[in-house]
Amino acid sequence: SQKIEQNSEALNIQEGKTATLTCNYTNYSPAYLQWYRQDPGRGPVFLLLIRENEKEKRKERLKVTFDTTLKQSLFHITASQPADSATYLCAPGGVDSSYKLIFGSGTRLLVRP
Amino acid sequence: GAVVSQHPSRVICKSGTSVKIECRSLDFQATTMFWYRQFPKQSLMLMATSNEGSKATYEQGVEKDKFLINHASLTLSTLTVTSAHPEDSSFYICSAYPRGISNQPQHFGDGTRLSIL
Repeated sequence: SQKIEQNSEALNIQEGKTATLTCNYTNYSPAYLQWYRQDPGRGPVFLLLIRENEKEKRKERLKVTFDTTLKQSLFHITASQPADSATYLCAPGGVDSSYKLIFGSGTRLLVRP
Repeated sequence: GAVVSQHPSRVICKSGTSVKIECRSLDFQATTMFWYRQFPKQSLMLMATSNEGSKATYEQGVEKDKFLINHASLTLSTLTVTSAHPEDSSFYICSAYPRGISNQPQHFGDGTRLSIL
């Protein structure tokens, strides 16, 4: 069955450092992969989408990589700030024509001032 | 742009009550909307895909008679939890997919916290 793995343990880093979050998937080949941020009691907010033919994508302090051979995506936040503290969800999609996304369990990021 | 409004944000009601949750795309048309359920400290679990003008497609294990979905227009989908019981208490979130555009992100509402007493 399709499986998405994100580190379930919280990532605790010092302000100013780079946070790196990992998303691994098995048993399917997504056409794209999305990353979302979710704050407690709120809906997810879209951050970045990377397609299978793209190796890397950037947006301000965010960078996403997509390795279809390793079946892995890495999500980086450079110069992290306490306001970046949240849960980050990866969601591979485009497996079929339904636009469905299957979400990983998310990784909670804590940035210490 | 791409705002999705979900209403109500919080519901507390007695066991046996039916509860309707609305999901509206405010500034775009959405042929497809999705309904998710999220338990504390867990990820979003897709319940069903709602397509405008046709029946919803439910994920395995989701009771279609329990969770009624209606997608009557290109900007509105509703989820009705019928005869709700305490085990239905959860955080329900909808998302909308912009019409006619492929490989685009879903846009999420802010969720509905449902508490059944």
